[in-house]
Amino acid sequence: RKEVEQDPGPFNVPEGATVAFNCTYSNSASQSFFWYRQDCRKEPKLLMSVYSSGNEDGRFTAQLNRASQYISLLIRDSKLSDSATYLCVVNVYNTDKLIFGTGTRLQVFP
Amino acid sequence: DAMVIQNPRYQVTQFGKPVTLSCSQTLNHNVMYWYQQKSSQAPKLLFHYYDKDFNNEADTPDNFQSRRPNTSFCFLDIRSPGLGDAAMYLCATSRGTGGENIQYFGAGTRLSVL
Repeated sequence: RKEVEQDPGPFNVPEGATVAFNCTYSNSASQSFFWYRQDCRKEPKLLMSVYSSGNEDGRFTAQLNRASQYISLLIRDSKLSDSATYLCVVNVYNTDKLIFGTGTRLQVFP
Repeated sequence: DAMVIQNPRYQVTQFGKPVTLSCSQTLNHNVMYWYQQKSSQAPKLLFHYYDKDFNNEADTPDNFQSRRPNTSFCFLDIRSPGLGDAAMYLCATSRGTGGENIQYFGAGTRLSVL
């Protein structure tokens, strides 16, 4: 089983749609969780951290379910500029290392 | 202004010809990382430094070496590049003091091997 698993997509959605991505992780001791965004042939950039209480940043909402070892990202009112790959990222317990999922590709069309 | 800077952005080398990629940071972070990323794959950690302490991943080939002469700079040396080493190489930094470990990436160096 992969340490971080994501549906690779692609998710093709029209502008204005709401889309949700899911991610599962295998190590219950993981402490930090993130969503990174990566545009084609560019570096990953932090989109948001994910907290147990859930957190929201504008059109983006992230949720963490520790019991199920499950992380989600919800994007409301999708924009063309949201087209990218979204990487689910989890820390390696008691280290400075992160494990990246292979990413979920989102394509927003007009 | 870019805080993690990688040079060059594109590097072409010949099969077997040593190549060095460089990374510098203005964040004064303790930890610097090197990742290899191939198309449609997750970034794969090669090694990282916590200050001067080097941490190699178990599956990183011996062909890959790294140097960190000071806090700001870190280098990736590929001693004898093979065709399979063509990839994007990403440098990242983090504070590494525990708690939330956000990593900040440079723009990457895309390596081609002829």
